[in-house]
Amino acid sequence: DAGVIQSPRHEVTEMGQEVTLRCKPISGHDYLFWYRQTMMRGLELLIYFNNNVPIDDSGMPEDRFSAKMPNASFSTLKIQPSEPRDSAVYFCASSQRVESGNTIYFGEGSWLTVV
Amino acid sequence: GESVGLHLPTLSVQEGDNSIINCAYSNSASDYFIWYKQESGKGPQFIIDIRSNMDKRQGQRVTVLLNKTVKHLSLQIAATQPGDSAVYFCAESPGTYKYIFGTGTRLKVLA
Repeated sequence: DAGVIQSPRHEVTEMGQEVTLRCKPISGHDYLFWYRQTMMRGLELLIYFNNNVPIDDSGMPEDRFSAKMPNASFSTLKIQPSEPRDSAVYFCASSQRVESGNTIYFGEGSWLTVV
Repeated sequence: GESVGLHLPTLSVQEGDNSIINCAYSNSASDYFIWYKQESGKGPQFIIDIRSNMDKRQGQRVTVLLNKTVKHLSLQIAATQPGDSAVYFCAESPGTYKYIFGTGTRLKVLA
C-alpha cells in the first residue's frame, strides 16, 4: 500500500527564496496534517485539513507560511520568503478520521535547509 | 509531553535482550496513546496503540503498558534486534486531533 508521499525529500535553498513542499495523503484519508520537526522543539503541528478545508492553522509560525489542499489527493506547504530558521524536517501525515483512537500516518518528510 | 530538547535520553541494550522504553504523558484527559519509531532520515512509523480503557496491549514482539494512575506509558520490545535501533516516542490524544508528542528515547542495540 502506498503511504503518504512527500516531495522533495531534500531541498537546499537560499534565504529569501520561495519553498514549496508537496504531499499526497493516503487514499481515503480525509484528514491531512503538516508537522515540523526540529531538534529543539520536536514535532509541532502547523496546520490540518479536513475534507480539503483548513480547520486549524494556529501552529503556522507566521504569514510567510501558507498551506493549501486543492483536492483530496494533494496538498502544498509554501514558505515565502524562506529564512534560515525555517530549516527543519517537514512532515505531512494523514488520518482516516480524527477522533481519539485514529492513527496518524506520516510521510518520510521533506528535509529543508535554508542558507 | 513537551517538545524535545537538544539531547535525547539513550537506552543501550544488548542484542537479544528485552528493551523497556518509558514515557510520562501530560494530560490526564488523554484517552488514546500511540508509540512511534523513527529511524534516521525517515518519518515516524506507527508501532502500536492503546486506548485508555486498557492497561496492556501486545503486538508482534512489542507490548505497551498503560498506567493511568501515574500517567505512565511503556513500550517493551522482546528480543531486541539491530533493526530496532531508532528513536521511539509516544503520542497522546486528549480526544482531539492535537496529539501531544513525547520527547523521544534513542534505542541503541549493541551487537
